Amino acid sequence: DIVMTQSPESLAVSLGERATINCKSSQSVLYSSNNKEYLAWYQLKPGQPPKLLIYWASTRESGVPDRFSGSGSGTDFTLTISSLQAEDVAVYFCQQYCTIPWTFGQGTKVEIK
Amino acid sequence: QVQLQQSGPGLVKPSQTLSLTCAISGDSVSSNGATWSWVRQSPSRGLEWLGRTYYRSTWYNEYAVSVRSRININPDTSKNQFSLHLTSVTPEDTAVYFCARANTRAFDIWGQGTVVTVSS
Repeated sequence: DIVMTQSPESLAVSLGERATINCKSSQSVLYSSNNKEYLAWYQLKPGQPPKLLIYWASTRESGVPDRFSGSGSGTDFTLTISSLQAEDVAVYFCQQYCTIPWTFGQGTKVEIK
Repeated sequence: QVQLQQSGPGLVKPSQTLSLTCAISGDSVSSNGATWSWVRQSPSRGLEWLGRTYYRSTWYNEYAVSVRSRININPDTSKNQFSLHLTSVTPEDTAVYFCARANTRAFDIWGQGTVVTVSS
């Protein structure tokens, strides 16, 4: 199985400041058929289902604010929230969907400092 | 607008079978471009993909090794839905269960979630 390792486990950021979450996969998540990184980021809030933020490592899902961005390739990926808003308090997960079984990182809790 | 609506009991006794259903609107369980999964979330396991069903001229199922001996995911084309059956449950299976649609954009549509507690 591909192991997804996120860091940090939690971080506290001031409103308007940048938040950066890292995700490392134990193997490549490059889907050879279309040469895309099959790496997604989700936001999870209590009592709600996960919300897709980023797919193909860097493509923002429709309707997601542009303060959310994804980057990376190979086995190292990053989710950046450029200017943290109060509504961004949540747990964030990365996920690889390149190889079955699809696997998630353990999550990063983002709070307001 | 695609929506997934989950139904099923929130309390299951140990050793019994957990059964949940996910009704699809706005898409088809037989869609050639989508797969249909069950995912669970718990404090101890985080987010865990359990398995999926999908149609590509014939039906396919794939399951996580951790539950492979106990799980069945069945499509129902007549009702445009799919179901999860997890047998011989223990308190370790207590979690929030989600159904979700996946395509090349990963899990883009999710059900509302069902809190399932395994307890006598």
